[in-house]
Amino acid sequence: QVQLLQSGAEVQKPGTSVKVSCKASGYTFINYGIIWMRQAPGQELEWMGWITPYNGYTNYAQKLQGRITMTTDTSTSTAYMELRSLTPDDTAVYYCAAAFCFSATCSSIKTYFEHWGQGTLLTVSS
Amino acid sequence: QSALTQPRSVSGSPGQSVTISCTGTSNDVGGGSYVSWYQQHPGKAPKLIIYDVVKRPSGVPDRFSAFKSGNTASLTISGLQADDEADYYCCSYGARYTWVLGGGTKLTVL
Repeated sequence: QVQLLQSGAEVQKPGTSVKVSCKASGYTFINYGIIWMRQAPGQELEWMGWITPYNGYTNYAQKLQGRITMTTDTSTSTAYMELRSLTPDDTAVYYCAAAFCFSATCSSIKTYFEHWGQGTLLTVSS
Repeated sequence: QSALTQPRSVSGSPGQSVTISCTGTSNDVGGGSYVSWYQQHPGKAPKLIIYDVVKRPSGVPDRFSAFKSGNTASLTISGLQADDEADYYCCSYGARYTWVLGGGTKLTVL
């Protein structure tokens, strides 16, 4: 079965960076695109961006442009999300999720997320 | 401020029905059959309960139904059960590889 296993909780200081991983299993990695969402304590879900594992194509939420980088490693079926210049406002649970691609390039996709990681809590505090 | 507008909270008694609305624009909700709904229990990851506006994944009870009219999508939960108490989020695919979400609705089962 499809599983997304995320890395463990992180505590980071303001101004530093964090890199969260999302290891996929149970399917061919390039058959699904990966999105990242986050949820600040008591707040709503926020879409952060998309990556196509086959070719590394990314599309980021405008508010995070310049601070976020999403990558994938097809050899280990792992997606990564790096966020830089952290502030306390980045304190949140970060989720990866997968959307089915009808081709490796994800030119046509299912626009919903059947599979989610368990979440990674990031705390940004001095 | 979320791109899609949902009521902050709804409530109902066991056995009753509730409907949660999700209002967007012609660029997202009204622009195609790309609305999905997610249920989130406290401390858990979201779970897909509706996709492509009206479809249910296998395993989701038919007590959950949804439809769309214009720029507003709606989720109805009938025969409320205690375990339905959760947060519900609507989500719409917008432009190429972008998604917008609602602010979430807290469902309380009285």
